[in-house]
Amino acid sequence: AQTVTQSQPEMSVQEAETVTLSCTYDTSESDYYLFWYKQPPSRQMILVIRQEAYKQQNATENRFSVNFQKAAKSFSLKISDSQLGDAAMYFCAFSQGAQKLVFGQGTRLTINP
Amino acid sequence: GAVVSQHPSWVICKSGTSVKIECRSLDFQATTMFWYRQFPKQSLMLMATSNEGSKATYEQGVEKDKFLINHASLTLSTLTVTSAHPEDSSFYICSARHGGEPGELFFGEGSRLTVL
Repeated sequence: AQTVTQSQPEMSVQEAETVTLSCTYDTSESDYYLFWYKQPPSRQMILVIRQEAYKQQNATENRFSVNFQKAAKSFSLKISDSQLGDAAMYFCAFSQGAQKLVFGQGTRLTINP
Repeated sequence: GAVVSQHPSWVICKSGTSVKIECRSLDFQATTMFWYRQFPKQSLMLMATSNEGSKATYEQGVEKDKFLINHASLTLSTLTVTSAHPEDSSFYICSARHGGEPGELFFGEGSRLTVL
């Protein structure tokens, strides 16, 4: 069974600085998808970024980028120029094709003004 | 983008009663929907996979007779918590896969259930 581990329960960063959230996963498959989801206080899950395992290039979405290390089974999220609106719970997630999403434990990110 | 809507967003019920939560895909057809449960300050735990026109697939440890799932159409799945007890109080989130993007799920707003 696939597992996703987020070892940082809480992180904080100064506004405008850069922060990196860690995620590792375990799978025996070679083809899969990885995601970072944001859950603000409203509890609505919002997709931040996705990565296909077959792609070597790291995904980027504006201020959000990932460092995907397939051999190490690591998938970290970097948030640049942090903004107050980035404060939320961040969940790393794994999916194999059309199958279910498996989530990590989450990291609560606080932005200090 | 694809929109998934849940109703109600918040429900309070007495112990022993049943509560139904609806999950609708508003602008796309979803052959598969997923139901998650989230306790305070915890992650999302998959309860079951709902397939249109067939029985749901429940995760290990989830009581299928307590959490009834019906996926009668391509845009609607329902979760019924039967004979609810205070320990069933939680945040329930549904999600659906949009056919255009493999792996990606779109989530509803969630439903907070409080059982007195």
